[in-house]
Amino acid sequence: GAVVSQHPSRVICKSGTSVKIECRSLDFQATTMFWYRQFPKKSLMLMATSNEGSKATYEQGVEKDKFLINHASLTLSTLTVTSAHPEDSSFYICSASGGGGKEAFFGQGTRLTVV
Amino acid sequence: QQQVKQSPQSLIVQKGGISIINCAYENTAFDYFPWYQQFPGKGPALLIAIRPDVSEKKEGRFTISFNKSAKQFSLHIMDSQPGDSATYFCAASMSGSRLTFGEGTQLTVNP
Repeated sequence: GAVVSQHPSRVICKSGTSVKIECRSLDFQATTMFWYRQFPKKSLMLMATSNEGSKATYEQGVEKDKFLINHASLTLSTLTVTSAHPEDSSFYICSASGGGGKEAFFGQGTRLTVV
Repeated sequence: QQQVKQSPQSLIVQKGGISIINCAYENTAFDYFPWYQQFPGKGPALLIAIRPDVSEKKEGRFTISFNKSAKQFSLHIMDSQPGDSATYFCAASMSGSRLTFGEGTQLTVNP
């Protein structure tokens, strides 16, 4: 299958700072990227969907000013957690799809810890 | 309408046994049903997927059975191995749009 690279795999930041997570499709053009959040022993919760060159569509209850998503190219999307707080600590996962009904491939995930 | 219900929540199987995980959906517009395997600290990896025009798909030790009338699909892992111990998620989507995930099944295969 296609490769989606997510970076960093782990990050620890201080409360009040911002953290950027990158998601890259290495061998295909990702017209659509999805960002998920996963709590321990729970399922994936979709945060937002982004299409290249367009504003992201956020799920209900997700603060768009706190979780900034940029999808400026067909191979890169970024999620920035602004003014992070301990409750933002979680496992964040991206997935990328070539669109048109093509399957989505997942990144390795990023473990964010806010101290 | 968007829910996918998965069971059991956890499953313990002996090495060499068959692991069976079930999912049920409500939205008849779903047309893509993948299964993902996730190891701790890693992202989900696609195992196998099926579309509603077939009732069964097999890839190696993994088989999906699909019952369109009952709106159910299941994953069978034959000859289960300790290395199969992971969390498994079923999912469903419409024409490649956002995936709706089941709650997950934690599988433990004892040696």
